[in-house]
Amino acid sequence: EAQVTQNPRYLITVTGKKLTVTCSQNMNHEYMSWYRQDPGLGLRQIYYSMNVEVTDKGDVPEGYKVSRKEKRNFPLILESPSPNQTSLYFCASAQLGTYEQYFGPGTRLTVT
Amino acid sequence: TQLLEQSPQFLSIQEGENLTVYCNSSSVFSSLQWYRQEPGEGPVLLVTVVTGGEVKKLKRLTFQFGDARKDSSLHITAAQPGDTGLYLCAPDTGANSKLTFGKGITLSVRP
Repeated sequence: EAQVTQNPRYLITVTGKKLTVTCSQNMNHEYMSWYRQDPGLGLRQIYYSMNVEVTDKGDVPEGYKVSRKEKRNFPLILESPSPNQTSLYFCASAQLGTYEQYFGPGTRLTVT
Repeated sequence: TQLLEQSPQFLSIQEGENLTVYCNSSSVFSSLQWYRQEPGEGPVLLVTVVTGGEVKKLKRLTFQFGDARKDSSLHITAAQPGDTGLYLCAPDTGANSKLTFGKGITLSVRP
């Protein structure tokens, strides 16, 4: 089954404790992206990647890092989480050129 | 980042009613996608429109791309409770791969 998986689905952590949210897709898609979704602000792009070792900033990259060492994986790293990063996070993948995105189930992150 | 406006923001209707919602911008798009998101889940792609004036139908949902490729509409005929959700549009300007979503239209269809 074609899918995008994210882990964990729910995470409660404390300010400053480094964390990683994993994302994996099994569709051999070149394009992968991370979004955060907040009430009233909609879905905003954090980082995206056109292919292995190629990443670029989206609209809200501050406080986040990503890496793309393998085509299927695109982890999101919060080196020093802060309460304003409490949000619902989605990973997505797409075939390059179409940008018809397949989304993961989401990760709800709470930073206290 | 282009300005993208979706309207109305919220819509609550009775089962069986028809409705139309919009996605507008001052920018020209090379294509535009509509997604539906249900509570607790990720968005799911409904359709991609590419050609100016294009109309695509998905059962009771009709999607239209504006002639100038700056706007799009979604019309739902005889809405059902299963249509309830957040409808998002996402245009591709063709300039780069940084994608922007509209803030979405929250639709509630009452039985």
